[in-house]
Amino acid sequence: EDQVTQSPEALRLQEGESSSLNCSYTVSGLRGLFWYRQDPGKGPEFLFTLYSAGEEKEKERLKATLTKKESFLHITAPKPEDSATYLCAVQRRGGSEKLVFGKGMKLTVNP
Amino acid sequence: NAGVTQTPKFRILKIGQSMTLQCTQDMNHNYMYWYRQDPGMGLKLIYYSVGAGITDKGEVPNGYNVSRSTTEDFPLRLELAAPSQTSVYFCASSHGGRAQPGKPQHFGDGTRLSIL
Repeated sequence: EDQVTQSPEALRLQEGESSSLNCSYTVSGLRGLFWYRQDPGKGPEFLFTLYSAGEEKEKERLKATLTKKESFLHITAPKPEDSATYLCAVQRRGGSEKLVFGKGMKLTVNP
Repeated sequence: NAGVTQTPKFRILKIGQSMTLQCTQDMNHNYMYWYRQDPGMGLKLIYYSVGAGITDKGEVPNGYNVSRSTTEDFPLRLELAAPSQTSVYFCASSHGGRAQPGKPQHFGDGTRLSIL
């Protein structure tokens, strides 16, 4: 069974204090690993897709990396507007595009 | 481009009532999905569709029905609402299939449903 575990469940940072979020996964044949951002009262907003171990993608203060067992979302010098819940999901090869989501990680960045 | 639009945004139902959650997308995506999100839990797939006229069950389909008569619309129907169906429901869409594997899903802003 495909599984996704995100840690920590919640994280509080001071503005400018860099950190990383972890997403551990087990899947029989990874097609893609997806990162989403979710603001309160909104739907998940797509951030990145990673397809193979060693791949990295960046967007503003966010950088996502992928190994064969986990993915990291690095946040460099975060700002209060980066406060949100970050979701990780995996898609199995041959799995009809279905995503398996982790429970999410709530990030709060204090000014 | 509105993306994925869900209506209503909020709804309160009584036990045993039925309702339809509406979802429409204007991105010409062939795949559409319904998820539910409960506090402290990850998104769970209820049903999905790979194209008009084709639907399949996800992880938690019991108590729900879907239909897909057009590319744009994918309504979710609740029959005989139960308190366990209190949740936030999200519709999503994506390109998919062998020609476009691994494309991201795009989500609506959800319907918050309470059953009392």
